[in-house]
Amino acid sequence: DVKVTQSSRYLVKRTGEKVFLECVQDMDHENMFWYRQDPGLGLRLIYFSYDVKMKEKGDIPEGYSVSREKKERFSLILESASTNQTSMYLCASSRYSDGSSYEQYFGPGTRLTVT
Amino acid sequence: GQNIDQPTEMTATEGAIVQINCTYQTSGFNGLFWYQQHAGEAPTFLSYNVLDGLEEKGRFSSFLSRSKGYSYLLLKELQMKDSASYLCAVVDSNYQLIWGAGTKLIIKP
Repeated sequence: DVKVTQSSRYLVKRTGEKVFLECVQDMDHENMFWYRQDPGLGLRLIYFSYDVKMKEKGDIPEGYSVSREKKERFSLILESASTNQTSMYLCASSRYSDGSSYEQYFGPGTRLTVT
Repeated sequence: GQNIDQPTEMTATEGAIVQINCTYQTSGFNGLFWYQQHAGEAPTFLSYNVLDGLEEKGRFSSFLSRSKGYSYLLLKELQMKDSASYLCAVVDSNYQLIWGAGTKLIIKP
């Protein structure tokens, strides 16, 4: 089974802190994604990566950066956390190929609260 | 712009049948996914449709009409554990997933 893990289930940080969210997948997937999920808004893509050291902006990249130094690991960084970044953060991975391989496998999520 | 529409919330009775609709307007189409997400948990894969028609998988079925930009998820013999949000997502021309906001399904005894 594909396994995607995230470093924390719950995280509480103060405004202005630098926050690191880590994601690791064990299925050698090429693609990795970071989403945030807020009530009534669905999943919104922050950043994604097709390969090591490659990154692409999603729909809401402002206030975030990412790092992918190894194929299995994709990190989301909040340079200076703000209260409007309080959310559920979901990491996902997928294989790069046709058809249903676009299926994304999700980690358990990190519920981040910024006070 | 790209848009996926689903009802925000639906209520159904245990043992009954419910149909959750999804309509989409996207730049291109390379398939449609349905995911299930229990409260506080990650989304999990339910189905994938790329051709028109009905795909059945146990109690769950998914239908697609590409000409109408329409899909539905059909859940039969509802159980309390089916209480969850159901997310519709379309693969667009850039092979990106465009997500709907999800439908919260409440099952009553």
